[in-house]
Amino acid sequence: DAGVIQSPRHEVTEMGQEVTLRCKPISGHNSLFWYRQTMMRGLELLIYFNNNVPIDDSGMPEDRFSAKMPNASFSTLKIQPSEPRDSAVYFCASSSFRNTEAFFGQGTRLTVV
Amino acid sequence: KNQVEQSPQSLIILEGKNCTLQCNYTVSPFSNLRWYKQDTGRGPVSLTIMTFSENTKSNGRYTATLDADTKQSSLHITASQLSDSASYICVVSGGSQGNLIFGKGTKLSVKP
Repeated sequence: DAGVIQSPRHEVTEMGQEVTLRCKPISGHNSLFWYRQTMMRGLELLIYFNNNVPIDDSGMPEDRFSAKMPNASFSTLKIQPSEPRDSAVYFCASSSFRNTEAFFGQGTRLTVV
Repeated sequence: KNQVEQSPQSLIILEGKNCTLQCNYTVSPFSNLRWYKQDTGRGPVSLTIMTFSENTKSNGRYTATLDADTKQSSLHITASQLSDSASYICVVSGGSQGNLIFGKGTKLSVKP
């Protein structure tokens, strides 16, 4: 298995634009997580899916952020409209079950100018 | 409040030396504790995972300890190598929702 695959690896966009980050979890994993990492706050959980259903989205900062998981092999994190404070590295991770080891993707470095 | 605190924030050591990173947590109820290694520009990779009943676990030159009574964990790196330069993140699973609570990490630099 190629592991968790995220795209794009880097994204630079202007303030106000819509940004969509993509994630393909490891085949057979039931749980998918979206995280944001900044120097100031470290890694923060944004949202967690189990069997494609959003279970906990309490970490989503505001309504500008939305996430979907239309099927077991694909998830998106959308920011609309984007703001400079959204600049961070966004990681997707998947695991067999919620409490087992999570495997992380390479991350998407987002810069909003 | 469920929290994970790591120390030191950063550490510089010479190649070949040993070092110990600390993690204190206040997460309750506790499920498990993990140490991740994150190389620059990459996602975190799991080093160890320990449950309540385990007090030590090794992965090569990495040895993690857990004291569930004092809610402390340490990661000991033996005979450090340049490739050990990375951030080491302590993650505790637990709380009422069973969430993962991340420490902010210790940035380790190993110099030749």
